[in-house]
Amino acid sequence: DSGVTQTPKHLITATGQRVTLRCSPRSGDLSVYWYQQSLDQGLQFLIQYYNGEERAKGNILERFSAQQFPDLHSELNLSSLELGDSALYFCASSGGQGRETQYFGPGTRLLVL
Amino acid sequence: GQSLEQPSEVTAVEGAIVQINCTYQTSGFYGLSWYQQHDGGAPTFLSYNALDGLEETGRFSSFLSRSDSYGYLLLQELQMKDSASYFCAVPTPDTGRRALTFGSGTRLQVQP
Repeated sequence: DSGVTQTPKHLITATGQRVTLRCSPRSGDLSVYWYQQSLDQGLQFLIQYYNGEERAKGNILERFSAQQFPDLHSELNLSSLELGDSALYFCASSGGQGRETQYFGPGTRLLVL
Repeated sequence: GQSLEQPSEVTAVEGAIVQINCTYQTSGFYGLSWYQQHDGGAPTFLSYNALDGLEETGRFSSFLSRSDSYGYLLLQELQMKDSASYFCAVPTPDTGRRALTFGSGTRLQVQP
């Protein structure tokens, strides 16, 4: 158990819909990272927040957005969903900016039908 | 940008030793990490090398040669539970080292 929690575990929705994925980092960790894992693209970095502020962006689509709240939990919002958005979405946390060890949550498996 | 190359699959028998290689290209190098992921599970941190040489942690060791842009993960005394995917990763300079760029993963199958 990494100490990072993610909800929901599974999500099935339809194209065009909007979903919200939630993540709580390890106690004391200020950084939250979101990654997408699909069969054809592998593990890809989406976005990072540090203590409530956006700090780095990766291959995140404009239809996707995220935020980190004062209690440090984070939400990833995916809208206008497409079939290709079906993937595993992982949240990871670390103790500081750019720390090498990231602790991953169990992931949310999203299926868009 | 960054790219990491690792073999897609490796098969070995229980009790054996296996080496998973990773070569990388990156505009700025800060270190090489290794993560393990079981099917349906989350990536789990195994090791990190910032300097050349071998780092040992129990049955697992990781090696780095910065001059060759190369590293490997060595797994000894293989157990069935080691069957998993193994990813090498580097901090992404474009993001101020705040994210990881992962290789495509090596699927290790341990056979009895």
